Amino acid sequence: GAGVSQSPRYKVAKRGQDVALRCDPISGHVSLFWYQQALGQGPEFLTYFQNEAQLDKSGLPSDRFFAERPEGSVSTLKIQRTQQEDSAVYLCASSTPDNNEQFFGPGTRLTVL
Amino acid sequence: GIQVEQSPPDLILQEGANSTLRCNFSDSVNNLQWFHQNPWGQLINLFYIPSGTKQNGRLSATTVATERYSLLYISSSQTTDSGVYFCAVKTSYDKVIFGPGTSLSVIP
Repeated sequence: GAGVSQSPRYKVAKRGQDVALRCDPISGHVSLFWYQQALGQGPEFLTYFQNEAQLDKSGLPSDRFFAERPEGSVSTLKIQRTQQEDSAVYLCASSTPDNNEQFFGPGTRLTVL
Repeated sequence: GIQVEQSPPDLILQEGANSTLRCNFSDSVNNLQWFHQNPWGQLINLFYIPSGTKQNGRLSATTVATERYSLLYISSSQTTDSGVYFCAVKTSYDKVIFGPGTSLSVIP
């Protein structure tokens, strides 16, 4: 079956612009995670959804970052007034119904100029 | 919070050689996964292994949860094994913590 998909794959934004990153999880996966991966580092947790409920958003670096999953399937990560330090790869993962094994999408590489 | 360490940070292998990568974690975890991040950035699932031993082809993994470590074995390495290997642990609060990774280069 289809894996986790993310769009766009690449995004270039001017500093101060708003961006929206989309994640389509694997069908039937109730849990969805967003991560930020800076160059040369491991992914860092941003936020977690179980169905439409955002259960943990402790990793979001500032109030400029906002995530939603209104119907419990597709999720959008929105970054307002982008800054250069927001440049990173944003990864989405969904996990099996027993909420254990995670499967990752290809990521969106965001570059803020 | 939980700390995850990986060693070695970098590894260069001649094609055909074997290697062992280690992941240490500082507290009890609910599960543990090993991933390979290829040069194009895709994270590929290798093992879901909260405890015990699993094998998949040239790769195998062992997690000793009581001693808070996991090992990833790569045998007869190939150039396509190059990339970064991450272990990731999950705590009881569903938060997943990644280690810093081991960067592997396999040279022909």
